[in-house]
Amino acid sequence: HLQLQESGPGLVKPSETLSLTCTVSRGSISSTGFFWGWIRQPPGKGLEWIGSIHYTGSTYYNPSLKSRVTISVDTSKNQFSLQLSSVTAADTAVYYCARLNIPPGNYYFDYWGQGTLVTASS
Amino acid sequence: SYELTQPPSVSVSPRQTASITCSGDKLGDKFACWYQQKPGQSPVLVIYQDNKRPSGIPERFSGSNSGNTATLTISGTQTMDEADYYCQAWDSSTVVFGGGTKLTVL
Repeated sequence: HLQLQESGPGLVKPSETLSLTCTVSRGSISSTGFFWGWIRQPPGKGLEWIGSIHYTGSTYYNPSLKSRVTISVDTSKNQFSLQLSSVTAADTAVYYCARLNIPPGNYYFDYWGQGTLVTASS
Repeated sequence: SYELTQPPSVSVSPRQTASITCSGDKLGDKFACWYQQKPGQSPVLVIYQDNKRPSGIPERFSGSNSGNTATLTISGTQTMDEADYYCQAWDSSTVVFGGGTKLTVL
């Protein structure tokens, strides 16, 4: 079964940039028919989609975060990454990476990483 | 922007049927899916394409989607089904999640 694993600092200072990487194993990030995405969940709250990327580099972003988000892909390492700039306490959340299955008009996340807690605090 | 609305909480007795709704403008014209999330765990896909179950998901989970409402139905609810449930759809090149429903089995 496909596996995804998030990695990166668990603590980020306010105004700095949050950087996370998702490593995909037991499968190829270059498989057709999929995007790869980031989702976050503030403590005690619901899920929020951040954005998604195809192995070709095509991206979709949440309009509410678009000005601060960059998602990139490294097919040679089977990884994709998230950068979120100018973080505040409101960006404290568990960050998940996941595979987005994309039959036409029918997009759903079928594999998820275990999640990583990132706290924005000085 | 598109919004999906779920009730914050639903309660059900063991072995009874639980229904969790997800409302959005003309949601029936889109595909809906559902995730189950237990405390401290990652979400798990339980329904996709309105009514299809991924491999390994029990038959007691089913889904429907028509008009403005998608519904997740759990027949013969078990205590292990107590969790948060999120609906999700795709609209205008964005992924949209509902706010989540806490299902209590008591």
